[in-house]
Amino acid sequence: EAQVTQNPRYLITVTGKKLTVTCSQNMNHEYMSWYRQDPGLGLRQIYYSMNVEVTDKGDVPEGYKVSRKEKRNFPLILESPSPNQTSLYFCASSPTGREQYFGPGTRLTVT
Amino acid sequence: AQSVSQHNHHVILSEAASLELGCNYSYGGTVNLFWYVQYPGQHLQLLLKYFSGDPLVKGIKGFEAEFIKSKFSFNLRKPSVQWSDTAEYFCAVNVVRDTGRRALTFGSGTRLQVQP
Repeated sequence: EAQVTQNPRYLITVTGKKLTVTCSQNMNHEYMSWYRQDPGLGLRQIYYSMNVEVTDKGDVPEGYKVSRKEKRNFPLILESPSPNQTSLYFCASSPTGREQYFGPGTRLTVT
Repeated sequence: AQSVSQHNHHVILSEAASLELGCNYSYGGTVNLFWYVQYPGQHLQLLLKYFSGDPLVKGIKGFEAEFIKSKFSFNLRKPSVQWSDTAEYFCAVNVVRDTGRRALTFGSGTRLQVQP
């Protein structure tokens, strides 16, 4: 089954404790992105990748890092999480960079 | 800056009522337009998309949308809603930024509640 998977689905952590949210797709898509969803703001792009080893900032990259060492994986790294990063995070992939296919989401709470 | 506006934040309808959700965007160039749906507790699913051609596009589950270029609008419609359509609906626009980055810009969403 073609899909985008994310882990973990739920995470509660404390301020400053580094964490990684994994994302994997099995559709051989070149484009992958990370979004965060906050009430009343819709989804905003954090980082994106056009291919292996090619990444760039989205609209809200502060406090996040990404890497793309393999085509299928695109982990999101929070080096020192803060409470304002409490959000619902979605990974997405796309064959062309246009329509995007979303993962199930990761709900992160930073206390 | 590019933006997407969804003017209806919360819509309550009875089953069998007709639905129209508004979406306007601010971008003068070529755009790709999308409607996504998010059912409670689930991820976003693509309802329909417009790239070019016929401005009236049909999607899944009986939804359709009309692109009106002169009005910068891409409104979502359904003639008769069902209880199972209860969800949040997001309009999105995809453009190529100056840096070559492709990104979806989303509206803030419209929560649709269909009452049996």
